[in-house]
Amino acid sequence: GQNIDQPTEMTATEGAIVQINCTYQTSGFNGLFWYQQHAGEAPTFLSYNVLDGLEEKGRFSSFLSRSKGYSYLLLKELQMKDSASYLCAVTLDSWGKLQFGAGTQVVVTP
Amino acid sequence: EAQVTQNPRYLITVTGKKLTVTCSQNMNHEYMSWYRQDPGLGLRQIYYSMNVEVTDKGDVPEGYKVSRKEKRNFPLILESPSPNQTSLYFCASSLFWSDHMNTEAFFGQGTRLTVV
Repeated sequence: GQNIDQPTEMTATEGAIVQINCTYQTSGFNGLFWYQQHAGEAPTFLSYNVLDGLEEKGRFSSFLSRSKGYSYLLLKELQMKDSASYLCAVTLDSWGKLQFGAGTQVVVTP
Repeated sequence: EAQVTQNPRYLITVTGKKLTVTCSQNMNHEYMSWYRQDPGLGLRQIYYSMNVEVTDKGDVPEGYKVSRKEKRNFPLILESPSPNQTSLYFCASSLFWSDHMNTEAFFGQGTRLTVV
């Protein structure tokens, strides 16, 4: 089977930094997505990592280590609007088969 | 405006009554996919399509059918819905799958289906 693990919930203070880890053990790997999903809304794309290393996009950065089966999403300068669920998803093949983790609920407190 | 449109947004139906959830995108995207989302389980892929007439099963295809007769539309068909198909459904599309620079997926607003 496929295993993609993320913490269920994380709490952090406004202005702080939070790192959401995602570990995976899958039969195939073509890349890793991070999505943000606010309650009651559709997911929105944050990043897609194919190669090892860190990719930075404004306040959000995503890191991938394929040899370790590990990724993280780093959220800096947290804002209240960053309170949401963050979904890690692995592309299992080159045809578009995707497997999602259960998501990490991030709660930002004042 | 570039968007993925799902209809209906909300649907309550009875067991066994065939239904179709429509999904349409206006971005000329090649790749489209259906997901269901259930509490504690996250998003699970039902079916996906690389292009017209090319579809394949995702993680949870049982009880569902899809078709891709034209690029813009990717309907999800429940031939005989059952209560365990009560869920929140999302359709998504992206430009190309094999091109790593264009994998951003755009999601529809979701369809909340209840089967009684």
